[in-house]
Amino acid sequence: KQEVTQIPAALSVPEGENLVLNCSFTDSAIYNLQWFRQDPGKGLTSLLLIQSSQREQTSGRLNASLDKSSGRSTLYIAASQPGDSATYLCAVRLGAAGNKLTFGGGTRVLVKP
Amino acid sequence: EAGVAQSPRYKIIEKRQSVAFWCNPISGHATLYWYQQILGQGPKLLIQFQNNGVVDDSQLPKDRFSAERLKGVDSTLKIQPAKLEDSAVYLCASSSQGDQPQHFGDGTRLSIL
Repeated sequence: KQEVTQIPAALSVPEGENLVLNCSFTDSAIYNLQWFRQDPGKGLTSLLLIQSSQREQTSGRLNASLDKSSGRSTLYIAASQPGDSATYLCAVRLGAAGNKLTFGGGTRVLVKP
Repeated sequence: EAGVAQSPRYKIIEKRQSVAFWCNPISGHATLYWYQQILGQGPKLLIQFQNNGVVDDSQLPKDRFSAERLKGVDSTLKIQPAKLEDSAVYLCASSSQGDQPQHFGDGTRLSIL
């Protein structure tokens, strides 16, 4: 059974500092991994999707890496801003058939001005 | 393009009562998902529909939860009778096909007294 873990559960940084968010998964046979952002009282917004054949994906200040062999992914957010305050969740998809996502518990981020 | 619509946004009921949530997916999206997100945890898939057929309901507590998508468009999730541990946010998501990215609604926050 796939298990996804995100540590730490919460993180507070001063504005301008780089953010490093970690995600680990137990079954390395994943199809892809996705990072989401969730604002309070809102649904999930997809940030980056990394296919199993890729090592990283970048979008603006966001960069996500994937190391399947060690069962880890890292989301980097450069030069954090107060608007980056949110909960960040990673999710893995196991197979090409179907689209079941297994989520981690999330990391709640606070960027202080 | 209108997003995934869910109602109500909030619901408070007493234990042993029944409750229903409604979801209208993005137009044309064949796949619809219901997730349960308990406070401090990542979403957990309850049921996945492809058009009006069930693809995966392995984590749906079928003794009290039911869901339908009769015309392959909008969907209803029902809980009867509710228990205290059902307090959570219920998220609906849709995708154009089973292997396409999922788009999430803002969820229904359920509190059981």
